Amino acid sequence: AQSVTQPDIHITVSEGASLELRCNYSYGATPYLFWYVQSPGQGLQLLLKYFSGDTLVQGIKGFEAEFKRSQSSFNLRKPSVHWSDAAEYFCAVGANTDKLIFGTGTRLQVFP
Amino acid sequence: DGGITQSPKYLFRKEGQNVTLSCEQNLNHDAMYWYRQDPGQGLRLIYYSQIVNDFQKGDIAEGYSVSREKKESFPLTVTSAQKNPTAFYLCASTDRSGANVLTFGAGSRLTVL
Repeated sequence: AQSVTQPDIHITVSEGASLELRCNYSYGATPYLFWYVQSPGQGLQLLLKYFSGDTLVQGIKGFEAEFKRSQSSFNLRKPSVHWSDAAEYFCAVGANTDKLIFGTGTRLQVFP
Repeated sequence: DGGITQSPKYLFRKEGQNVTLSCEQNLNHDAMYWYRQDPGQGLRLIYYSQIVNDFQKGDIAEGYSVSREKKESFPLTVTSAQKNPTAFYLCASTDRSGANVLTFGAGSRLTVL
């Protein structure tokens, strides 16, 4: 069955610390891969996406993600977290937009 | 600026009442989507439409209805048949150019009293 797993429900980091949010998926073939961010009570904003090519993708707000085919993972990273990064982060995978599968999200809390 | 407008932002409804959530986009996108978001469950697809006057059920369509009479508009009706309608509803769209990137509205929070 196709699925997306974000194993960390809640992560807390100090401002300036590095961050890695995990995303693992189960899919028949290599899907399109996305990370979205959601501020409280708001819609989702695309951080970055992977379709093909270089497995390290750069996104907005200083985020990057690495696709690892052998591990079926697409982890999101940021070298130095800012207080404004506090939000909920969703990983999504799919062969097309009509069939995107979203993970359950990881809530990031940032302490000063 | 182009974007997706959802209204109302907050809505309260009594049990047994139908309610319609509005979604309007000025991005000239062909496809539009409705998602439901519950705490700890991520986003689940309710309905989607790839073209005017056509729409398909998503994973949790029961108790919901939609229409797509105009390219810009994709309203969602939450009917009294929906057993647990309290949730955050998100509308999204994409231009289907192959980018597969969804643009989301700010959402509507429905509370059934």
